[in-house]
Amino acid sequence: GAGVSQTPSNKVTEKGKYVELRCDPISGHTALYWYRQSLGQGPEFLIYFQGTGAADDSGLPNDRFFAVRPEGSVSTLKIQRTERGDSAVYLCASSLRPLGDGGELFFGEGSRLTVL
Amino acid sequence: DQQVKQNSPSLSVQEGRISILNCDYTNSMFDYFLWYKKYPAEGPTFLISISSIKDKNEDGRFTVFLNKSAKHLSLHIVPSQPGDSAVYFCAARRTNFGNEKLTFGTGTRLTIIP
Repeated sequence: GAGVSQTPSNKVTEKGKYVELRCDPISGHTALYWYRQSLGQGPEFLIYFQGTGAADDSGLPNDRFFAVRPEGSVSTLKIQRTERGDSAVYLCASSLRPLGDGGELFFGEGSRLTVL
Repeated sequence: DQQVKQNSPSLSVQEGRISILNCDYTNSMFDYFLWYKKYPAEGPTFLISISSIKDKNEDGRFTVFLNKSAKHLSLHIVPSQPGDSAVYFCAARRTNFGNEKLTFGTGTRLTIIP
């Protein structure tokens, strides 16, 4: 499809396990963002990529969270030693250009992570 | 610290009437504001935005009003239609160079009653 694709759509894991969430942005979009939405909350910023580099990772909650975008398209959010508090919907968004240059975010449907 | 607040978790409006969704912010450095609409099992979609140099922006049935002195914005939908039933998020941004972060409110669930 032409939109932002996120896999898996649902992931159930046990506390302490490692998880990878994948985001396939809209073709040609250079800017990519990860947000996390916990139950009853609005999306919370995690990290922003411009091309291959993480331009702003100030929203990552701690060093168990890491994200990569090695070729400037697909991005993977990696969570080590998962905790129950990591349970949330992880949203990815992409944009043709940064918000600062008049870009517009297009969100994927999200990956729902449940840590038991 | 919730810098963007949507104090009404839900709102029900009769079809054809006006829907008014409210949003308050505490950070005076925010100078760009957006509304997103979210259907179940879908990602948020951009609806309308406003810069702090304006106090009103209109797009079809949707109008956003900004009151900088009160740190308050509102989204008006008129006339409301059943397809408008969704969760609406207010978001804010500080447009300093390199800042791509949006701060979202907790959302208001709008239900349009046919």
